Amino acid sequence: KAGVTQTPRYLIKTRGQQVTLSCSPISGHRSVSWYQQTPGQGLQFLFEYFSETQRNKGNFPGRFSGRQFSNSRSEMNVSTLELGDSALYLCASSFDRAGTEAFFGQGTRLTVV
Amino acid sequence: GESVGLHLPTLSVQEGDNSIINCAYSNSASDYFIWYKQESGKGPQFIIDIRSNMDKRQGQRVTVLLNKTVKHLSLQIAATQPGDSAVYFCAENEGTNAGKSTFGDGTTLTVKP
Repeated sequence: KAGVTQTPRYLIKTRGQQVTLSCSPISGHRSVSWYQQTPGQGLQFLFEYFSETQRNKGNFPGRFSGRQFSNSRSEMNVSTLELGDSALYLCASSFDRAGTEAFFGQGTRLTVV
Repeated sequence: GESVGLHLPTLSVQEGDNSIINCAYSNSASDYFIWYKQESGKGPQFIIDIRSNMDKRQGQRVTVLLNKTVKHLSLQIAATQPGDSAVYFCAENEGTNAGKSTFGDGTTLTVKP
């Protein structure tokens, strides 16, 4: 079956702009989580959506937001981009059954200039 | 806050040797632990998981050990191969689903032929 698909793979934006990233989970998975990966901070949890509701949230400013649609596809948005937002943004989906792992997409590489 | 830490940022082994990657965690409420492998340009890939009611779990060439007393997790890779070269992350979850994982810093494993 198809894996987690993230689009676009690469993105270059200017400071102050906003960006929207997309994630299509594995069919049947209702939980979608987002992570930011940087060399300095590692993998940091952003938020998790389940059945169109944000179920968990990490410690990121309000400029980072997300949503999930009825087909479980998810988007995350970053407004007023800063240079420090340059990172690999990873999406993971899971079946949300106890003891089941998350499957990650290849990520979107965001560069803010 | 809670964190999951790895003892060594890098590990170099000879092909055919066994590798041991360690991880210390601090959240005593963690119920579910996962080891991921991340190759360059890809998202993390599930290797093996273990729930807190177990202390050992074996997969194909991999074994995860969990010591809840000292909050320690390890990944053992038998007969390490060049294809095992990657960054390895441990992740802990409070609760038994993987929707919100706290990741360690990662250990870069290099396998010398």
